[in-house]
Amino acid sequence: GNSVTQMEGPVTLSEEAFLTINCTYTATGYPSLFWYVQYPGEGLQLLLKATKADDKGSNKGFEATYRKETTSFHLEKGSVQVSDSAVYFCALSLYNNNDMRFGAGTRLTVKP
Amino acid sequence: DVKVTQSSRYLVKRTGEKVFLECVQDMDHENMFWYRQDPGLGLRLIYFSYDVKMKEKGDIPEGYSVSREKKERFSLILESASTNQTSMYLCASSTSGSRGGTQYFGPGTRLLVL
Repeated sequence: GNSVTQMEGPVTLSEEAFLTINCTYTATGYPSLFWYVQYPGEGLQLLLKATKADDKGSNKGFEATYRKETTSFHLEKGSVQVSDSAVYFCALSLYNNNDMRFGAGTRLTVKP
Repeated sequence: DVKVTQSSRYLVKRTGEKVFLECVQDMDHENMFWYRQDPGLGLRLIYFSYDVKMKEKGDIPEGYSVSREKKERFSLILESASTNQTSMYLCASSTSGSRGGTQYFGPGTRLLVL
């Protein structure tokens, strides 16, 4: 079936460190890929997305590139801030957003 | 601004009680979803609805039912709450038929069943 695997957390970084959260997917076709973020006490919100191979999604200094050859969509940020502390979810959708599949989530804590 | 609201942020119920969780969206979205979120398991879909009075089972519908009488409102019902239903419940909504479209989430309801 269609699924997403993301790196287990928690991840703890110092402010201004480089962030990578790995995400790989398994799908029967060509999915759209998403990163959602959940700040403490809130629901999920879309961080970025990519709908076809080699697309790069970006937002708030975060980036992820859709790599079909490695079935990956790793999230990166060059310099994290304390305010980036949150849980990050990788997700895929194959046909429409009714079939969205989420990863287990990775908790990021950034220390000053 | 897009808004999905959930009736309670925290609920404490006793085993065997009937529990209602309500969700309202103001975006005129066709689709609405109920997920539960558990540590290490991510989000798992309980039910979704693509139109008024229409529903589809998700991955874990057992022990739950849903109701959608109006387009903007989607209710999750635990007929007889059990301790293994202690969890965070998230509601979401989206427009239909859009590949690459996003889901919009409410803040969640943290349910504790004693």
